[in-house]
Amino acid sequence: DAKTTQPPSMDCAEGRAANLPCNHSTISGNEYVYWYRQIHSQGPQYIIHGLKNNETNEMASLIITEDRKSSTLILPHATLRDTAVYYCIVRVDTGATNKLIFGTGTLLAVQP
Amino acid sequence: DAGITQSPRHKVTETGTPVTLRCHQTENHRYMYWYRQDPGHGLRLIHYSYGVKDTDKGEVSDGYSVSRSKTEDFLLTLESATSSQTSVYFCAISESPGLAGREQYFGPGTRLTVT
Repeated sequence: DAKTTQPPSMDCAEGRAANLPCNHSTISGNEYVYWYRQIHSQGPQYIIHGLKNNETNEMASLIITEDRKSSTLILPHATLRDTAVYYCIVRVDTGATNKLIFGTGTLLAVQP
Repeated sequence: DAGITQSPRHKVTETGTPVTLRCHQTENHRYMYWYRQDPGHGLRLIHYSYGVKDTDKGEVSDGYSVSRSKTEDFLLTLESATSSQTSVYFCAISESPGLAGREQYFGPGTRLTVT
């Protein structure tokens, strides 16, 4: 089972910041938080990842709480093309490979 | 975009027939994965490979087998297709999961319908 909990859907106005929450209360000390998104009918796309510090790249920012039990993905200026299902994933390290366990994600609908 | 192709992109087959899906990469990544995606389930790992001829099962491996004879190709075979295997299948690759932050890159997917 997925180790994360996300709301099933969210709306955001175009041009505004989209803040997507994720709970991962059972995360272990050496597990990373990954975010992927999936635009309709396409393969998932990597967005960002982090361990305990906040991270930012050209796509988004990731804010992880100090106790690491939750995180928020921030899209600073959402566009219509950001409409997608966003997956928050805690990386399960089995030694030989990093399995990604996907939940059902959050469907972000960016409204014009 | 990572160089990953999947073939075929769409396939309709009958129950009981064998089916092979192919994933081809040009990135020379060591790790390759097969997922299936069904409504209400997100993506679920079927099998993965951590090198040529080195494969292991994922969470939904029953009814599927895989082979990897070359770095660039990872084949998924349904020995006798069933209607429950109707799904969208995604291949993914990653460089080295032993290093933190090695993300997976996904292919465009194959839509398989078993009638």
